[in-house]
Amino acid sequence: AQKITQTQPGMFVQEKEAVTLDCTYDTSDQSYGLFWYKQPSSGEMIFLIYQGSYDEQNATEGRYSLNFQKARKSANLVISASQLGDSAMYFCAMSPPGGGYNKLIFGAGTRLAVHP
Amino acid sequence: SAVISQKPSRDICQRGTSLTIQCQVDSQVTMMFWYRQQPGQSLTLIATANQGSEATYESGFVIDKFPISRPNLTFSTLTVSNMSPEDSSIYLCSVPGLSEQFFGPGTRLTVL
Repeated sequence: AQKITQTQPGMFVQEKEAVTLDCTYDTSDQSYGLFWYKQPSSGEMIFLIYQGSYDEQNATEGRYSLNFQKARKSANLVISASQLGDSAMYFCAMSPPGGGYNKLIFGAGTRLAVHP
Repeated sequence: SAVISQKPSRDICQRGTSLTIQCQVDSQVTMMFWYRQQPGQSLTLIATANQGSEATYESGFVIDKFPISRPNLTFSTLTVSNMSPEDSSIYLCSVPGLSEQFFGPGTRLTVL
């Protein structure tokens, strides 16, 4: 069975600094996908970044990068130059083979607070 | 990316009643997913809805409690039946993208 673990219930960071949100996963599949979503207080789920298990390079999307360490089964999210609008819940998720066409398994989430 | 809308955005219901949540997508999709997020918790998949076939439910979720319709490739409904306060949650639908899933804005349900 697949499992996602996020060990940081809450994190805070000063505006303009970088922050790393931790995510480890467990799976016996060789092919899988890893995702990060942002959930503001409004409740919507905003897709941030995706990493495929066979991707050799770490994924990047603007200020977001995914530090993928396959041997350690970790997929940490790095947010550079934090902004006040980054304050939200962040969920790490994974999917079995099939990517978005399969169910997502979510971690417990990390609440990020960005301080001015 | 797909544009997804949900109705209602929020509702307050009495126990024992039922609520039907609608999910509309701006493009045709073969699969739609329904998730539940209980207060302070993460998201859990309720079921996968394919057009033209019965929905597939995850362990712990049953059709009698959460009947789903999928009449066409752009629309689905989830009904929360015989509600109790434990059903108070955010209900979200999602659709597949190239590699990710795109979520609707969610329906925030409170059961009194």
